[in-house]
Amino acid sequence: EAAVTQSPRNKVAVTGGKVTLSCNQTNNHNNMYWYRQDTGHGLRLIHYSYGAGSTEKGDIPDGYKASRPSQENFSLILELATPSQTSVYFCASGSHWGGSYEQYFGPGTRLTVL
Amino acid sequence: QQQVRQSPQSLTVWEGETAILNCSYEDSTFDYFPWYHQFPGESPALLIAIRPVSNKKEDGRFTIFFNKREKKFSLHIADSQPGDSATYFCAASSPRFGAGTKLSVKP
Repeated sequence: EAAVTQSPRNKVAVTGGKVTLSCNQTNNHNNMYWYRQDTGHGLRLIHYSYGAGSTEKGDIPDGYKASRPSQENFSLILELATPSQTSVYFCASGSHWGGSYEQYFGPGTRLTVL
Repeated sequence: QQQVRQSPQSLTVWEGETAILNCSYEDSTFDYFPWYHQFPGESPALLIAIRPVSNKKEDGRFTIFFNKREKKFSLHIADSQPGDSATYFCAASSPRFGAGTKLSVKP
C-alpha cells in the first residue's frame, strides 16, 4: 500500500542539539515537502524537492536544512535546535502530473525542543 | 507568500445545516483548487478538488463552487454532521495552503 511514513513520531531534543526528521514514501512521487504546523499558523512550507538530489527553500527555511538522497527519502535537519522550532512537522509527497498538486501526508512528527 | 486567502477562521453550524467555507486567490494562471480536511490528531487529507473547466464539483455532501471572474471558490458541506468537525484547508496550484477554517458541527 502506497504510503508516507515519518520517523521518529515523537522527539524531545535539547537546545543547540542536532535533530534529523526522516520521511519515506512509496508513492513513487517526484515531489516531496516538509511543513510545520502550529496553532494559528496553519501549514507552513519549510523545504521541498522535485526529485533526488534537489532541494528548494519554502517560505520559512531559516534554521532548517533538507536532504533528498533518493526518490523515496527526504530528511529535514535542524543543525542547532531552538525552542521556537517546537512544533508538529508533516512530510508529504505528490506529483505535478497534469498540473495537479495533490499531496499525500505522513502521520507527522511532534518535536519538542527544551 | 500567501497564495490563497481563507475565511472564516472558525465556523460553527448545527447538525443538518450547510457549512460554507471560502477561499480567494490572485494569480489567474492557477488551475487546480483542492480542499483538504484535517481531523484532530491526524494529518491533512485531500477531500475534493476542482479545475476551472467547470464551475461546480460534487462528491456526496461536499460541493466546490468556483467563480473564475471573481477568483473565488468555496466548499459547501450539505447536511453537516458532527463527524465533519475538522479543520479545512484550501490551496491553489501550489503546495501552499490557506490558513484554515476550523469547523464545528453541533448536534
